[in-house]
Amino acid sequence: LAKTTQPISMDSYEGQEVNITCSHNNIATNDYITWYQQFPSQGPRFIIQGYKTKVTNEVASLFIPADRKSSTLSLPRVSLSDTAVYYCLVNNAGNMLTFGGGTRLMVKP
Amino acid sequence: NAGVTQTPKFQVLKTGQSMTLQCAQDMNHEYMSWYRQDPGMGLRLIHYSVGAGITDQGEVPNGYNVSRSTTEDFPLRLLSAAPSQTSVYFCASSYSGTGGQETQYFGPGTRLLVL
Repeated sequence: LAKTTQPISMDSYEGQEVNITCSHNNIATNDYITWYQQFPSQGPRFIIQGYKTKVTNEVASLFIPADRKSSTLSLPRVSLSDTAVYYCLVNNAGNMLTFGGGTRLMVKP
Repeated sequence: NAGVTQTPKFQVLKTGQSMTLQCAQDMNHEYMSWYRQDPGMGLRLIHYSVGAGITDQGEVPNGYNVSRSTTEDFPLRLLSAAPSQTSVYFCASSYSGTGGQETQYFGPGTRLLVL
């Protein structure tokens, strides 16, 4: 299983853009990169998924370089409600998701 | 759709007691799984199922049993509760267990305290 490495915590202020980078050096050819968001006392929630280059949805953007050994989750203009833990995962066949410790994002007013 | 539902929301057990955590989904998903999350940690996979009648072990299966008699339900049984099983338990489901493009939907969790 590909292992991911991401910062333990990040601080930001309302209205700023936040970029969280994740390393996955052992990613396999058929693996996808998925980011989940988890608020306290709730289950994780899907944010975005990609295979290569750039993916954008109404919540975030995901940037994946050509070698796919890392990825960056970009949250535009964060608000206080974006304070959460963000997990970077690599999906392999069989869908056995491996969660690391995640990145605790604190958005300050 | 209710999505993924879990009961109970909170449970206190004494060491040695047994109990079943319930999980149900109404999305006709083939793949279901159970995770545990200890304070300040990420989720760890306990057991999973790729369809009715098929289950397999995840990363931390010891002390837990599962069965999958229907597509909708995937109960998790604690055989003899231990304080080390104090955790938050999440159930998840997705359309299939094949390929890397699946998105998993998580339930609200069950908080278990073993004294």
